This record gives sequence, structure tokens and C-alpha cells, in this order.
Amino acid sequence: GAVVSQHPSRVICKSGTSVKIECRSLDFQATTMFWYRQFPKQSLMLMATSNEGSKATYEQGVEKDKFLINHASLTLSTLTVTSAHPEDSSFYICSAETGMVEQYFGPGTRLTVT
Amino acid sequence: DAKTTQPTSMDCAEGRAANLPCNHSTISGNEYVYWYRQIHSQGPQYIIHGLKNNETNEMASLIITEDRKSSTLILPHATLRDTAVYYCIVRRGTGTASKLTFGTGTRLQVTL
Repeated sequence: GAVVSQHPSRVICKSGTSVKIECRSLDFQATTMFWYRQFPKQSLMLMATSNEGSKATYEQGVEKDKFLINHASLTLSTLTVTSAHPEDSSFYICSAETGMVEQYFGPGTRLTVT
Repeated sequence: DAKTTQPTSMDCAEGRAANLPCNHSTISGNEYVYWYRQIHSQGPQYIIHGLKNNETNEMASLIITEDRKSSTLILPHATLRDTAVYYCIVRRGTGTASKLTFGTGTRLQVTL
């Protein structure tokens, strides 16, 4: 199956700083990428949908100025958590699809804000 | 997208078949049934999907009732590595607006 990578896998940052997470589709071109957030013992919650070259569509309740998404190419999307706070600590997961039926997920990035 | 209902947890002995049920009574005619699983601290993994007909692949079988209001994922010979949370999701086919909405899933524990 198709491979999606994320970098970094884990990151610890101080409160008030910004963190960038990369999501790459390694062996296919992704027309659409999705970003999810998962808190401990909870399910995945979709944060935003991004298409290459256009602005991301954010889910209700997700602050677009805090969670900056850039989808500059068909193989790369980035999520930047700006001015991170401890409540932003979570497991961030991206996924990508080609317009076919399946959506492929990355391994996730665990963010801890101290 | 239609809402799904799954049992919170299930146990299965290693080597036996694991049958995971899912109710989706409000599914629309153009919505597919997808199954994903998530092993602890990893991203979800696609398992299988179907529209009307039963489907089988190297991982599992998907049985969809004739009225499409429920389905069952079957892992024919469960192993300890199949311990995970299994998500049943209904979703309109493909396209940028076709989101995956994750519910709480079924936590499958495979035991010796």
C-alpha cells in the first residue's frame, strides 16, 4: 500500500513557541491531505482538509490562525502549531488520498508542550 | 455522513475468528462502509471497504447485510498483533469533501 510519513515522530516544545509538523506521501501524489488530532483515550478528530495549492478548510472549532496548514506540493503538507500551549499537547496524524477510495495515514506526531 | 454504532470492546482467542459488528441504519445509497484499525500510538490502517457486496482481501472479510443497515468485519484467524481499536466508518465514495468521521470504535483484545 501507499506510504505516508510524518516528521518529527515526537516533539517537545516550550509554551509560546511554534512547532512545524511535516506530512509526506512517499510513493504517490496526494490531491488531498487531512490533519487529525487525537487526545489520550479518545478518537481521531478531523482538524482540516487541504488541497494542493489552495487554502485549507478547517472544521468547526479549529482556529485557522493557530493551526497553519500549507499544502505546497502534491507530496507535502505541513501543520504549524503557533504559540503552542500545554492544552495543544496531543497526537497529530495526517492522511492523504489520491482521489481513489482509500485514505492512507501517517504514523503520527506526538506533541508535548511544557 | 451516517453515524455508526459499535460495541465498546471485544475479546477473541488467538487463532479464532474475530467478528466485529457495526450498525449503520441511516446509511445512504451512495455511502460506502469502511473499516480501519489503530494499533496503540500509531496511525490508522486501512482494512477493507464495501458498498453492497461482501468483500474479502488478505486481511479480512466484510459482510454487509442486504438492507445495508449493518455489517460485520471478520478477521478469520486472529493473532496477538490484531489487538487494536477497530473503526467502522460510512463515507460517500471519493472526493475532497468526502471526510472520514471516526467514532469511538471497538477495542479488540486478542488473548492467548
